[in-house]
Amino acid sequence: QITLKESGPTLVKPTQTLTLTCTFSGFSLTTTGVGVGWIRQPPGEALEWLALILWDDDKRYSPSLRSRLTITRDTAKNQVVLTMTNMDPVDTATYYCAHRRGSGGELFDYWGQGILVTVTS
Amino acid sequence: QSVLTQPPSASGTPGQRVTISCSGSSSNIGRNYVYWYQQLPGTAPKLLIFRNNERPSGVPDRISASKSGTSASLAISGLRSEDEADYYCVAWDASLRGPAFGGGTKLTVL
Repeated sequence: QITLKESGPTLVKPTQTLTLTCTFSGFSLTTTGVGVGWIRQPPGEALEWLALILWDDDKRYSPSLRSRLTITRDTAKNQVVLTMTNMDPVDTATYYCAHRRGSGGELFDYWGQGILVTVTS
Repeated sequence: QSVLTQPPSASGTPGQRVTISCSGSSSNIGRNYVYWYQQLPGTAPKLLIFRNNERPSGVPDRISASKSGTSASLAISGLRSEDEADYYCVAWDASLRGPAFGGGTKLTVL
């Protein structure tokens, strides 16, 4: 059974760096084709893809946020970490991590419950 | 501005059939699988359709989807009140080198 759970601060100040951790179980991030992605959703708005890390440690980023994002993994701990620098109130959103089911155009099947991050001074 | 284009809203009465469209390009829908997700208020997205038209176990067969060229559509027949939710289409995008999301469609059951 695949599960994912996001953790991190729920309140950050403008200009601070956000660090979110996705702790997962039920799969290995070293299995060919597998990946873990981060997606966010501002209140009342649409889903937005942020970053993706693949089984071979290949990393992909949304072009619009690339300069602010870093995604890493700890395969021993079954964790994926996303950092986002220079936070702004417009970054207030629910942040989700999700399991990518394989390569060749496959996408996310299992999602975490999400964590609401509010950016305010 | 989302990469994939969906109508912002759709509606139907109980028992009706509704469809939600998703338009993309040769960089995404035209060459890759389309996935569909349902998001109930206050919850995480749930996978409804993968590989254009396949349903995960537990998704009823009144939910179906198709793809043609650079467009895709989701169909829900026998509409129920519990289908009221936001629906998102997603496809891998070769130019983005990542997933492209639609802007979501809010389905209202009248």
